[in-house]
Amino acid sequence: GAGVSQTPSNKVTEKGKYVELRCDPISGHTALYWYRQSLGQGPEFLIYFQGTGAADDSGLPNDRFFAVRPEGSVSTLKIQRTERGDSAVYLCASSPTGHVSPLHFGNGTRLTVT
Amino acid sequence: SQQGEEDPQALSIQEGENATMNCSYKTSINNLQWYRQNSGRGLVHLILIRSNEREKHSGRLRVTLDTSKKSSSLLITASRAADTASYFCATVSFLSNSGNTPLVFGKGTRLSVIA
Repeated sequence: GAGVSQTPSNKVTEKGKYVELRCDPISGHTALYWYRQSLGQGPEFLIYFQGTGAADDSGLPNDRFFAVRPEGSVSTLKIQRTERGDSAVYLCASSPTGHVSPLHFGNGTRLTVT
Repeated sequence: SQQGEEDPQALSIQEGENATMNCSYKTSINNLQWYRQNSGRGLVHLILIRSNEREKHSGRLRVTLDTSKKSSSLLITASRAADTASYFCATVSFLSNSGNTPLVFGKGTRLSVIA
């Protein structure tokens, strides 16, 4: 079946602009995660949804970052007033039940802030 | 923050040799997972080992877990050029006041298998 889909695959934006990154999880997966990965580093946790609600948003770096999952499937990660330090690959993952199951990752969105 | 620390950071071997990567972590865990990432791609799950398990196999992969030493190892036998990738360990920790935490990844080991 279809895997986790992330769009766009690449996004270049100017400092100060607003961006939205989209994630389509595997159908039926109730858990959805956003991670951020910088070059040469492992993925860094941002936020976790169980259904429609954010069960853990402790990884969001500041209030410029926000994510929603209004219908319990597609999720959007929103970044306001982008900064050059936000440049990274943003990875989305889904899982049938949560952390105790393997995560299925998308190929990520590479965000470059100029 | 990153809990798992992989060792070595980079490993280069000849095709046919075995590759061993190690991971150390700091807190009590529910499970430990290994993932693989090819350049420019997402992560692919390899093996999940629970805290009450000591060893698991999947094809050419063998994972061990020593909770007393808070460490795990991933062994790839008879390596192939196609095994070239970054390998990450990740842990789900158990916190008494909040339950299981989301997966926390280490920095990874970059494996190069030379044909």
